[in-house]
Formats: sequence, structure tokens, C-alpha cells
Amino acid sequence: AQSVTQLDSQVPVFEEAPVELRCNYSSSVSVYLFWYVQYPNQGLQLLLKYLSGSTLVKGINGFEAEFNKSQTSFHLRKPSVHISDTAEYFCAVISMIYNQGGKLIFGQGTELSVKP
Amino acid sequence: KAGVTQTPRYLIKTRGQQVTLSCSPISGHRSVSWYQQTPGQGLQFLFEYFSETQRNKGNFPGRFSGRQFSNSRSEMNVSTLELGDSALYLCASSVGKGPTTGEPEAFFGQGTRLTVV
Repeated sequence: AQSVTQLDSQVPVFEEAPVELRCNYSSSVSVYLFWYVQYPNQGLQLLLKYLSGSTLVKGINGFEAEFNKSQTSFHLRKPSVHISDTAEYFCAVISMIYNQGGKLIFGQGTELSVKP
Repeated sequence: KAGVTQTPRYLIKTRGQQVTLSCSPISGHRSVSWYQQTPGQGLQFLFEYFSETQRNKGNFPGRFSGRQFSNSRSEMNVSTLELGDSALYLCASSVGKGPTTGEPEAFFGQGTRLTVV
């Protein structure tokens, strides 16, 4: 079984400041990792993914994340946030086992609030 | 390429009624998953269909069911609605190949907001 913990439920930050949203996971099998963003009254949009290879992955809108296998973490970062980044962010994992493919396990979400 | 389409976007139903939600995946995607999102429980996996077969199921009562058609379109049904079923229901589609062939990422629709009164 897998579980995902997002360590901060709310993160307030000023515009143009850097931000880090933290995500830890637990799994007895190897997993793929994702970050999604959800704007009000919208579905989820894929920000970035880690499948294999380089542990630093870059996504859309200037976001990046670093996979740390020893610490089972996948923290999301952005060097300079904009007002438009205000949204809820979800970390998720999916098992690499074929017959479990399609079952995303999500964290509880982090509300990022960017203030002018 | 068209994204994932969910219909309807909003629904209001009465307790005890049943409801059917529809999801059209991205062309070429064979896996469709359904999730329930509520403020208290967050995003919870309902079930996944791949090539018309239910491949995974979450911990929801039997009132929640689904199916997938030969064109990969999927429907989910909730019978005997309860107030607690009020939620945003999200559908996600993915290529659905095995993990060794890559592309495990899922793409989500806009969701159906169900309100039970």
C-alpha cells in the first residue's frame, strides 16, 4: 500500500518570493511521482512527473521538484511565485505494478496563497 | 487533441435518487479512473477501468458502480444517494499500458459537481 503526506496544509507567500511545498511518501513497492495543481472549480492539471532518471524534474509554469529516494520525498519548488500561482497543489504516487496502474494515491493538498 | 470531457458539470439530486456521470477520455487512452473529492476526505480513488474491465477498486460501498464502453468512454453510477455523496467527481484518463512502456500519467477532466439535497 502507498500513502502520501503533504507536510503543510497552507503556505502563504509574497509575490516574487521562493516557495517549497513538501511531500513525503511511503510505499512497499516502487512508485512514480506526480504534482498536480487545482484552480478553483477546476479539475487537476499535471505540473510535473518523476518516472526515472535525473532526480530533478522540471515542469510547467516554472515549477521543479526533486526526488529523494532515501528520504522518500518529492518536494516542489519555484524560485519566484506569481499571484496566478495561487491554487491547491497535490502530490500523488502511482504503483509501478501493472495491475495497479491507474490508481493514484494523493496527499491532502497544500493551499498556496500568493499575496501582493 | 481534445482533453478529458465530463458531463454534466453540475448536478443537483435528492436523497434516495440515483445519478449517472459520464466521462470521455483522451483519444487513444484506454484507462479511465474515477475519484471523489470532498473537503473532509480529500481525493479518494473510486475505481479504474481498462479495456472495459474493472482493474482496481477503492473502498466505497456497492452503491457506487461504473462501466466502460468499447470506445473507452466511461460512466459511473451512484444509487440511493446520500447527503454525504455530495462531492466533486473527477475522471482521469491515461494510456493504460504497463509500467515498462511508460506514460503512466493521468489527465483529468473538469469534474462533475454533485449536490445531494
